[in-house]
Amino acid sequence: EAGVAQSPRYKIIEKRQSVAFWCNPISGHATLYWYQQILGQGPKLLIQFQNNGVVDDSQLPKDRFSAERLKGVDSTLKIQPAKLEDSAVYLCASSFKRLGFYEQYFGPGTRLTVT
Amino acid sequence: AQSVSQHNHHVILSEAASLELGCNYSYGGTVNLFWYVQYPGQHLQLLLKYFSGDPLVKGIKGFEAEFIKSKFSFNLRKPSVQWSDTAEYFCAVNAQAGGSYIPTFGRGTSLIVHP
Repeated sequence: EAGVAQSPRYKIIEKRQSVAFWCNPISGHATLYWYQQILGQGPKLLIQFQNNGVVDDSQLPKDRFSAERLKGVDSTLKIQPAKLEDSAVYLCASSFKRLGFYEQYFGPGTRLTVT
Repeated sequence: AQSVSQHNHHVILSEAASLELGCNYSYGGTVNLFWYVQYPGQHLQLLLKYFSGDPLVKGIKGFEAEFIKSKFSFNLRKPSVQWSDTAEYFCAVNAQAGGSYIPTFGRGTSLIVHP
């Protein structure tokens, strides 16, 4: 089966510019996650969708970050305007419920550099 | 909110040495527990998981982990490491919140195995 797809793989922007990331989950996976992984740290959950509804976005900096999953399939994450501290790898993952638990499958990530 | 602590940030071992990576979490409710591995240049991938039953779980490549509920721990072990085990290892907890599970990752442990 095809894995989680993300694009672009790399992005370099200047501070105050905007950027968008795209994620296509594994077919049939109802749950989609966006994470931010800063160098030397573990992934931090930004937002979790169940179909096209938001389950958790408590760690999403809503003044500059937004995400949507309009048709319950693919998703976009946007940063506007970007700050230097947004430099990180942005990971997308998807999961489905099997035997009572959710196993996540991760995409390759988008490495963002803000200069 | 739940948190995950990984005690060892950097571990250096020689081949054939035994490995134990510590993971503790703080959450009093129902949890699913995971260890993920990220080999250099590759995606995060699942190493092993626990959601119920036998607290000693076995994963891929000879890894195992033991869930000790009273200690809120889920330590990863391997009796004899190989050079190919060089990677980043992340402990993760899915904590039940309403009808969903919210994931939290530890900061990771960098393992280097010398041949």
